[in-house]
Amino acid sequence: AQTVTQSQPEMSVQEAETVTLSCTYDTSESDYYLFWYKQPPSRQMILVIRQEAYKQQNATENRFSVNFQKAAKSFSLKISDSQLGDAAMYFCAYVTGNQFYFGTGTSLTVIP
Amino acid sequence: DTEVTQTPKHLVMGMTNKKSLKCEQHMGHRAMYWYKQKAKKPPELMFVYSYEKLSINESVPSRFSPECPNSSLLNLHLHALQPEDSALYLCASSQDGGPRLRLGNTIYFGEGSWLTVV
Repeated sequence: AQTVTQSQPEMSVQEAETVTLSCTYDTSESDYYLFWYKQPPSRQMILVIRQEAYKQQNATENRFSVNFQKAAKSFSLKISDSQLGDAAMYFCAYVTGNQFYFGTGTSLTVIP
Repeated sequence: DTEVTQTPKHLVMGMTNKKSLKCEQHMGHRAMYWYKQKAKKPPELMFVYSYEKLSINESVPSRFSPECPNSSLLNLHLHALQPEDSALYLCASSQDGGPRLRLGNTIYFGEGSWLTVV
């Protein structure tokens, strides 16, 4: 069974600093995708970044980057130069077929 | 345009009422999803429609009845709900409804419909 674990229920970061959110997953598949979604208080799930498992290069999207360690089944999200608007719930997701497996989420607080 | 539109944004209904949640996307996506989300929890998959046919039903009670009138629309009909069904209901869509998720097949979510059952 596929599982996704986010071991940090809550994190906080000072504005303009860097924070890393961790995610590990368990799978026997070789072909899959990994996503980070952000859910602000408005509750809309917003795609932050996507990583294809077959790509060795870590995905980057502006201030957001991932550290993808396929052998370790780890997929952490780094947010650089944190902004107040980054405060949200962050969900890691593992995807194979049309099934999404979400982690339990990490609530990120940004301190002014 | 990566927009999935859901209506209504808020719904309060009694346990004997019949209501519907609606979802629309105009991205040409062929897979559409209903998720249920409780506070501070991840979304839970309810249904998946692939090419307008129900492909996944995650053992959802029959008081929830999905409908896909066409490739752009997805409804969730609600009848005889219980207070514990109160939650945020998220609609989502992805480009491909095939058996395997292919490159570019990101799932895009709507803003959700807040449902309160009284």
